[in-house]
Amino acid sequence: DVKVTQSSRYLVKRTGEKVFLECVQDMDHENMFWYRQDPGLGLRLIYFSYDVKMKEKGDIPEGYSVSREKKERFSLILESASTNQTSMYLCASSSPGRGSPLHFGNGTRLTVT
Amino acid sequence: QKEVEQDPGPLSVPEGAIVSLNCTYSNSAFQYFMWYRQYSRKGPELLMYTYSSGNKEDGRFTAQVDKSSKYISLFIRDSQPSDSATYLCAMIKAGGTSYGKLTFGQGTILTVHP
Repeated sequence: DVKVTQSSRYLVKRTGEKVFLECVQDMDHENMFWYRQDPGLGLRLIYFSYDVKMKEKGDIPEGYSVSREKKERFSLILESASTNQTSMYLCASSSPGRGSPLHFGNGTRLTVT
Repeated sequence: QKEVEQDPGPLSVPEGAIVSLNCTYSNSAFQYFMWYRQYSRKGPELLMYTYSSGNKEDGRFTAQVDKSSKYISLFIRDSQPSDSATYLCAMIKAGGTSYGKLTFGQGTILTVHP
């Protein structure tokens, strides 16, 4: 079974803080993704990566950056957290191939006060 | 207009009922179709995956794809209280720059009551 592990289930940060969300997968997947999930808006793609050190912007990259130094680890960085970044953040991975389904972690619920 | 439309519900059914969940899409470039189940405070888990028109069955679950009508469905037979969750349809385009990216429906909240 694919396992995608997100380091924190719940996180509370203050406005202006730099926030790191970590994600690790154990299936040697090339592709990794960061989504955020909000009521009424569904899942929205922030960034994805299809190889080490490679990254591509998703639909809502503003205010975020990512880092992929190792194949199994994909980090999401909030440079200066704001209250509108309060959300559920979901990491996912998939094998190569355009139609490969995603496997998700259990999410990090981030609250920015 | 969203590329993928899914009725958010909520849907409430008695135990044992047949549940039908549906999504429509507007872009014929979508070629790979998935259903995810998401329990409260958990990440989505892959339930069904298909890339062709027709039916795919797995236990009490049947996924149906009609590419000509741009319509996909998930049927749950003999529904159980443990099926209570949010169900998300998702799909991937075959071409263009959408490499590996899923487009999700809004999700349907399902409650199966004993």
